Amino acid sequence: QVQLQQSGPGLVKPSQTLSLTCTISGDSVSSNSAAWNWIRQSPSRGLEWLGRTYYRSKWYNDYAVSVKSRITINPDTSKNQFSLQLNYVTPDDTAVYYCASSQLDHWGQGTLVTVSS
Amino acid sequence: QSVLTQPPSTSGTPGQRVTISCSGSTSNIGRNTVNWCQQLPGTAPKALIYGNSQRPSGVPDRFSGSKSGTSASLAISGLQSDDEANYYCAVWDDSVKGWVFGGGTKLTVL
Repeated sequence: QVQLQQSGPGLVKPSQTLSLTCTISGDSVSSNSAAWNWIRQSPSRGLEWLGRTYYRSKWYNDYAVSVKSRITINPDTSKNQFSLQLNYVTPDDTAVYYCASSQLDHWGQGTLVTVSS
Repeated sequence: QSVLTQPPSTSGTPGQRVTISCSGSTSNIGRNTVNWCQQLPGTAPKALIYGNSQRPSGVPDRFSGSKSGTSASLAISGLQSDDEANYYCAVWDDSVKGWVFGGGTKLTVL
């Protein structure tokens, strides 16, 4: 059974970088049939897909247009994890952030990230 | 404004059958399979349906999904008080090259 465990700070200052990690158990971040997503949820935006990373003989990333200039999703094969970095955050980035597996069939527990000074 | 359109709310009485609709377009529902998830207050979404109509293990067969053209539906039969939650549809969109979601439907069990 796939399980996803999120970690990272819940408070980030404006203009700084939001960083979260998702640890995978029951599957591999390097699986040739999987993809690993980051999604956020806020009252104003609802559920919003941010991006994904996946391995198909080499690593690929897809990012949402809304955050493409500020986002990086990286795999860490040694720890079976993948991470989210969102640069130059503003209060509008305040949301609950989730990691999720390929078909959104498994979700992390969620991390409320507040952007505030 | 969400890419997929769901009714904001619906309700039913215990034992009743309710359906929730999800309307999209040719670039998403028209081309790809639809997922549904359930979100209880204060918790992460949980997968209910994937591939239009498949249930993950552990999901009761009271939950069923279907798709026709650019629309999809989630049906819940034998409604229970525990079913009171928000329900979201999700599908890969080939135009935006990403997952898109409905705005969610709040189900109230009267």
